Amino acid sequence: DAGVIQSPRHEVTEMGQEVTLRCKPISGHNSLFWYRQTMMRGLELLIYFNNNVPIDDSGMPEDRFSAKMPNASFSTLKIQPSEPRDSAVYFCASIPLGTVNEKLFFGSGTQLSVL
Amino acid sequence: GQSLEQPSEVTAVEGAIVQINCTYQTSGFYGLSWYQQHDGGAPTFLSYNALDGLEETGRFSSFLSRSDSYGYLLLQELQMKDSASYFCAGNAGKSTFGDGTTLTVKP
Repeated sequence: DAGVIQSPRHEVTEMGQEVTLRCKPISGHNSLFWYRQTMMRGLELLIYFNNNVPIDDSGMPEDRFSAKMPNASFSTLKIQPSEPRDSAVYFCASIPLGTVNEKLFFGSGTQLSVL
Repeated sequence: GQSLEQPSEVTAVEGAIVQINCTYQTSGFYGLSWYQQHDGGAPTFLSYNALDGLEETGRFSSFLSRSDSYGYLLLQELQMKDSASYFCAGNAGKSTFGDGTTLTVKP
């Protein structure tokens, strides 16, 4: 079974550029989470979806961040325009139907560097 | 909201036993999960407690006391490969993570 797949693994961009991170959850999982990890703030939940519908986006830092889940097998997190303080590792995670997110399955993450 | 507190660092020697504590303040709490993360890697699930008491999974065990808002992860027969960061996460509709404990296992 393929796990959660994220792309790209590494992204280096310049301040002001648009960045799009991609995630493919595990087949059959109906909830998807976007987390950001930094040394200063740890693992922060940005947004999560249930059945492709955004449920809680209270962790999205500001309007520069947006996330979509057009279907059950794909989600994107977009930052426009990007800033150096957005540099972090962004993780996507999914869980199957019928759980209370006690066991998140994480992708390998995208290391984002904004110069 | 939720907040979870863990020690920032723990050091132990190979073969020893180490306990990583987690205290939490949360509403709508379902249970407590534990994750391991090696440098440069993704968090991976270790254990989950929905009920009070001890859950054992091989060398790792996790404990929860809801009345004390407290849990811990117990690692036995430590190996060098156990050097990693360990996170507790409170489950309440969504998972909120503690800041993590860096475990260093020395020979």
